[in-house]
Amino acid sequence: EVQLFQSGGGFVQPGGSLRLSCAASGFNFNGYGMTWVRQAPGKGLEWVAGILGSGRRTYYADSVKGRFTISRDNSRGTLFLQMSSLRANDTAVYYCTKTGGTGWQLDSWGHGTMVIVSS
Amino acid sequence: EIVLTQSPGTLSLSPGERATLSCRASRSVSSASLAWYQQKPGQAPSLLIYSASRRATGIPDRFSGSGSGTDFSLTIRRLEPEDFAVYYCQEYGTSPFTFGPGTKVEI
Repeated sequence: EVQLFQSGGGFVQPGGSLRLSCAASGFNFNGYGMTWVRQAPGKGLEWVAGILGSGRRTYYADSVKGRFTISRDNSRGTLFLQMSSLRANDTAVYYCTKTGGTGWQLDSWGHGTMVIVSS
Repeated sequence: EIVLTQSPGTLSLSPGERATLSCRASRSVSSASLAWYQQKPGQAPSLLIYSASRRATGIPDRFSGSGSGTDFSLTIRRLEPEDFAVYYCQEYGTSPFTFGPGTKVEI
């Protein structure tokens, strides 16, 4: 069974930094791309960033490019999202997701972790 | 960036009725790269349909997807009580892999 256990959310001031982690189990981690998706309170889903299974290539939404960095440690089966220069509108629940084997569809989701950016 | 528009914003139906949700893209999308997700209150989303028409593992056959080019749809043949939720489409062929704004299916 695929499991994605997220940690690292919390409260941070504008301009601050935070790192999210997602510990994966139940599948061949380095064989699948992974992504982060966020959802602001009461709003829809926003795709944030993605990374190939090898870790060699990354993709970002324009809204986070240059501020967020997605990475992975395949030896530990863990996905990361390093967030810096945080803004109030980065406040959201952040979901770690696993992609399907045939493309970037998101076939497994973590439980989500809340990030609140406020002074 | 491909922009996805979903309609209607809210669909008010009764159990047993048929629901048809629309997803329109700002430019042509590969049928291999269009997905639908369901999100219930307080829960993470879950994958329903990928490649426009393929049901994800464990999804009942009352859910079906269709479409090509810029117009796609999700049909729920006979609504069950557990189907009342928000549904999102997503394009995942060209980064950034955008989501539509969602359609809420309510009783």
